[in-house]
Amino acid sequence: DARVTQTPRHKVTEMGQEVTMRCQPILGHNTVFWYRQTMMQGLELLAYFRNRAPLDDSGMPKDRFSAEMPDATLATLKIQPSEPRDSAVYFCASGPGGVVFDTQYFGPGTRLTVL
Amino acid sequence: AQKITQTQPGMFVQEKEAVTLDCTYDTSDPSYGLFWYKQPSSGEMIFLIYQGSYDQQNATEGRYSLNFQKARKSANLVISASQLGDSAMYFCAMSAMDSSYKLIFGSGTRLLVRP
Repeated sequence: DARVTQTPRHKVTEMGQEVTMRCQPILGHNTVFWYRQTMMQGLELLAYFRNRAPLDDSGMPKDRFSAEMPDATLATLKIQPSEPRDSAVYFCASGPGGVVFDTQYFGPGTRLTVL
Repeated sequence: AQKITQTQPGMFVQEKEAVTLDCTYDTSDPSYGLFWYKQPSSGEMIFLIYQGSYDQQNATEGRYSLNFQKARKSANLVISASQLGDSAMYFCAMSAMDSSYKLIFGSGTRLLVRP
């Protein structure tokens, strides 16, 4: 049963610290998405990649957030420096691509708390 | 711009009964995809069902069916024979060219199944 995996599942850190979240997409999927979920804003797309190339990161605060795909099996989302308002659940999702409307399969999420 | 509206913040249903979760959407794009996801208390996002705007038949997946009314721009999720495990948040989402095929999510409906 292929699944998207994310690490860590939970992260508590102090304001100003660097946070790195990792995602392993489903093998063979060529689209990867990063979302943030908060009570106030709901689900927001932060960035997405197709064939490891970033296609859209317009939802991401550029001054502190960065997203990369160093290889096809790893996507990273980094926050530096972190702030309390970054506290949220961060989801990674992957899709098979190859179709116009790609079904996205989500990982379990990383719950981030910034004190 | 695209928009997804879920007007029911919370709903109750009796176990074994059917329930309909409402979703309306707005897009000027003639080609789009509609999705429903389930988020149980564990937090994961589970893909349930997909409907393409040009699909002639309403989508069905087991106990889930999508009541697609294109002229009314509605894509309601019907869950038949509700089970206790169906208690969760349900999100409607849309993907279209005018949003670069990104998934836009509604605010969600919390469903509680009563024994």
